[in-house]
Amino acid sequence: EVQLVESGGGLVQPGGSLRLSCAASGFTFSSYSMNWVRQSPGKGLEWISYISASDSTIDYADSVRGRFTISRDYAKSSLYLRMNSLRDEDTAVYFCARVRCPNGVCHYLDYWGQGTLVTVSS
Amino acid sequence: EVVLTQSPATLSLSPGERATLSCRASQRISSNYLAWYQQKPGQAPRLLIYGASSRATGIPDRFSGGGSGTDFTLIISRLEPEDSAVYHCQQYGGSPRYTFGQGTKLDIK
Repeated sequence: EVQLVESGGGLVQPGGSLRLSCAASGFTFSSYSMNWVRQSPGKGLEWISYISASDSTIDYADSVRGRFTISRDYAKSSLYLRMNSLRDEDTAVYFCARVRCPNGVCHYLDYWGQGTLVTVSS
Repeated sequence: EVVLTQSPATLSLSPGERATLSCRASQRISSNYLAWYQQKPGQAPRLLIYGASSRATGIPDRFSGGGSGTDFTLIISRLEPEDSAVYHCQQYGGSPRYTFGQGTKLDIK
């Protein structure tokens, strides 16, 4: 059974930092691209970062580029999101999601974790 | 940036009825890289449809997707109470790499 379990969320002051983790199990982690997606309270979903299966391609939304860093540890089957210079508008539930890439095009997300809440407030 | 506009924002229907949800893109979506997700309160999104019309594993055939270009539709036939949820569409391509619609809330009463 595919499982994605996020952790590391919490309350942080504006300008602070946080590192989110996503523990993957039930599939060959090294074979899949992964995404981070967030959802602000009462709002829609917002894609924020992508990392390819081989770690060779990384991408960010403009809203977080330069402040957030995505990475993965194959030995631990884990995905990470380092978040620096946090702002009020970064308050959201952060989901990790597995990406499916039929014919090499990574166009949809087939499994999602339950999410971890990040609250940025003074 | 490809902007996805979902309509209606809220839909209230009765069990057994048919729901038609719309997702309109501001630009043509290549190769129908359009997916639909269901999200219940406090839960993660669940993949329903990918490639505009392919059902994900384990999704009942009451759920069907269609459309192409800029206009896409999710149809849920024979509504059941557990279909109450927010439904999101998502496209791939361009910058940003993925974008989502704002969601349609479906209430089954």
